[in-house]
Amino acid sequence: GAVVSQHPSWVICKSGTSVKIECRSLDFQATTMFWYRQFPKQSLMLMATSNEGSKATYEQGVEKDKFLINHASLTLSTLTVTSAHPEDSSFYICSARKAGETQYFGPGTRLLVL
Amino acid sequence: GENVEQHPSTLSVQEGDSAVIKCTYSDSASNYFPWYKQELGKRPQLIIDIRSNVGEKKDQRIAVTLNKTAKHFSLHITETQPEDSAVYFCAANGYGGTSYDKVIFGPGTSLSVIP
Repeated sequence: GAVVSQHPSWVICKSGTSVKIECRSLDFQATTMFWYRQFPKQSLMLMATSNEGSKATYEQGVEKDKFLINHASLTLSTLTVTSAHPEDSSFYICSARKAGETQYFGPGTRLLVL
Repeated sequence: GENVEQHPSTLSVQEGDSAVIKCTYSDSASNYFPWYKQELGKRPQLIIDIRSNVGEKKDQRIAVTLNKTAKHFSLHITETQPEDSAVYFCAANGYGGTSYDKVIFGPGTSLSVIP
């Protein structure tokens, strides 16, 4: 199998606080994980590529100081939304790449910033 | 970088009819093209993928065709069923700085299958 989990599944926080989202590959090792953001009725927008043991590669327009990514092990990547604001409210989805190009997605984290 | 376009944005078909979704990509070096199905509030699920060394791939009611010269690829769903209703995303791999390891998604097609 290829199971990817995310935690938490949803979170509500106050404006100005930081939120950490975890992405885990449960039954395989993933040297590369990806973080996406999806607004309602829109596509998945790649935010960054997370490589184990190295700095993440951010897509153009994504603030690296606001969206901190850490890939500490072959099964865990974390995304921290720092100083969250209402416009950061979105559905955040991670994916992990198994052998080859196939990506398997986590269930997503719904973030609401009040 | 890679740019993926997708048409139509919405598609309604009668149960039992076929549905076709078309995509184009911009980077001629892309060589991996997955298709994902996403139901409301859920994660995208890979339904089929194709690599550039083949022109067509089929899995039961789902088929994908690829024209590398024209940089087009299409998803075909035959004998549609109400449970096929979802948003479908095409995608292509793009250059991530060291290799073609990232996947860029098209804007999606909302498919409704009418019983």
